Amino acid sequence: GNSVTQMEGPVTLSEEAFLTINCTYTATGYPSLFWYVQYPGEGLQLLLKATKADDKGSNKGFEATYRKETTSFHLEKGSVQVSDSAVYFCALSVFSSNQFYFGTGTSLTVIP
Amino acid sequence: GAVVSQHPSWVICKSGTSVKIECRSLDFQATTMFWYRQFPKQSLMLMATSNEGSKATYEQGVEKDKFLINHASLTLSTLTVTSAHPEDSSFYICSARPITGDREQYFGPGTRLTVT
Repeated sequence: GNSVTQMEGPVTLSEEAFLTINCTYTATGYPSLFWYVQYPGEGLQLLLKATKADDKGSNKGFEATYRKETTSFHLEKGSVQVSDSAVYFCALSVFSSNQFYFGTGTSLTVIP
Repeated sequence: GAVVSQHPSWVICKSGTSVKIECRSLDFQATTMFWYRQFPKQSLMLMATSNEGSKATYEQGVEKDKFLINHASLTLSTLTVTSAHPEDSSFYICSARPITGDREQYFGPGTRLTVT
C-alpha cells in the first residue's frame, strides 16, 4: 500500500540550528513527494515537492531530495529562524490514485 | 496563482443545526476537490473526494448522510454538516486538483467549526 512515516516531534531548536525532519514512504507505483507547512490556525501551504527519483525540491532555504533507493524524502534547512516554527507534513501522491497520503506531522518550535 | 479559498473561516453553531462550508478554486478549474478533517495536533484525515458533476466518494467510516458534499462546478465544492453535534467540532480543510492534470493539490486555509 501507500503510506508515509514521519519523524515524531515535537522538535525544539535554537535559532540558526540545522534542521532535519525524516520522512520515509512506501508506494505502489511512482509517487510524487511533497512537504507542506501549517502555521497555527491556518491551512496547509506547499513548501516544496519532487516528482521523480533524485529530484531535489527547494524553497525558502528548505531542501529535500527524493531518494528512491532509501524511499526517503528528508526535509533539511541549514539555519532555522523563529518564523519557521510550524507543523511540517510529508506527503505522497501516486499517479493511479487521487489520494494524498500524509505523515502525522512534525511540530517545530524555534527559540531565539 | 493556484489559490483556494474557504468560507467561512470559522463558524460556531448550535447542536442540531446544519452548517455549509464552501471551497472555491479562485484562479483555476478543478476536476477534483477533496475534503479533510483535522483534529488538534493530528494529521489530516481524508473524508471524501468529489468530482464535478458526480457523486462524492466517501472514505470508510465517514457518514455520507451527515457530511453532504456537492461539487456543482469546476470551481466550487460545498460540504454541509447536517444536524451537527459537538463531536463534529473540528478543522475542515479542502483541497483542489487542477484540471490540467498536475498531481499537486492546492489547499484552502481551513474552516474551524465549533458546535455548542
